[in-house]
Amino acid sequence: EAQVTQNPRYLITVTGKKLTVTCSQNMNHEYMSWYRQDPGLGLRQIYYSMNVEVTDKGDVPEGYKVSRKEKRNFPLILESPSPNQTSLYFCASSWVASGADTQYFGPGTRLTVL
Amino acid sequence: KQEVTQIPAALSVPEGENLVLNCSFTDSAIYNLQWFRQDPGKGLTSLLLIQSSQREQTSGRLNASLDKSSGRSTLYIAASQPGDSATYLCAVNSNSGYALNFGKGTSLLVTP
Repeated sequence: EAQVTQNPRYLITVTGKKLTVTCSQNMNHEYMSWYRQDPGLGLRQIYYSMNVEVTDKGDVPEGYKVSRKEKRNFPLILESPSPNQTSLYFCASSWVASGADTQYFGPGTRLTVL
Repeated sequence: KQEVTQIPAALSVPEGENLVLNCSFTDSAIYNLQWFRQDPGKGLTSLLLIQSSQREQTSGRLNASLDKSSGRSTLYIAASQPGDSATYLCAVNSNSGYALNFGKGTSLLVTP
């Protein structure tokens, strides 16, 4: 089944404890990206990647890192999480490197930073 | 920066009614516009994608239109059902970037 998977789905952590949220797609998509969703602010892009080893900042990249070492995986890294990073996170992918195609979203990761 | 607005923010209708959700955007230089459905606690499901050169797309009871010059799109849902209850999100892929710019969504409740 074609899908985007994220792990973990739920995570509660404390300020400053490094964490990684994984994202994997099995559709051989070129483009992958991360969004966060917050009440009243909607979905905002954090980072995106157009191919292996090609990443760039989205609208809200502060406090996050990403890597794209393999085409199928695009992990989101929070080196020192803070409470303002409490949010619902989504990974997305699409065929076209620019993202200008149907985008497929993962199920989301709900992160709480205490 | 592209701004996407969805009206209304919330809508409650009785089962069987036809309804229209509205989306407007400020910059007409777009690649495409995509409508998503989001169920509570779940991810986003793509419903329809309209390329900038297209006027509308249809899938089952759903029809989405695009008027790029006026910066508007509508999602028409025919014969609504309780299972249509969800939040509907409009997202624009602009020529100027590599992100989807999302509206804040319309929360739809279809009552039996």
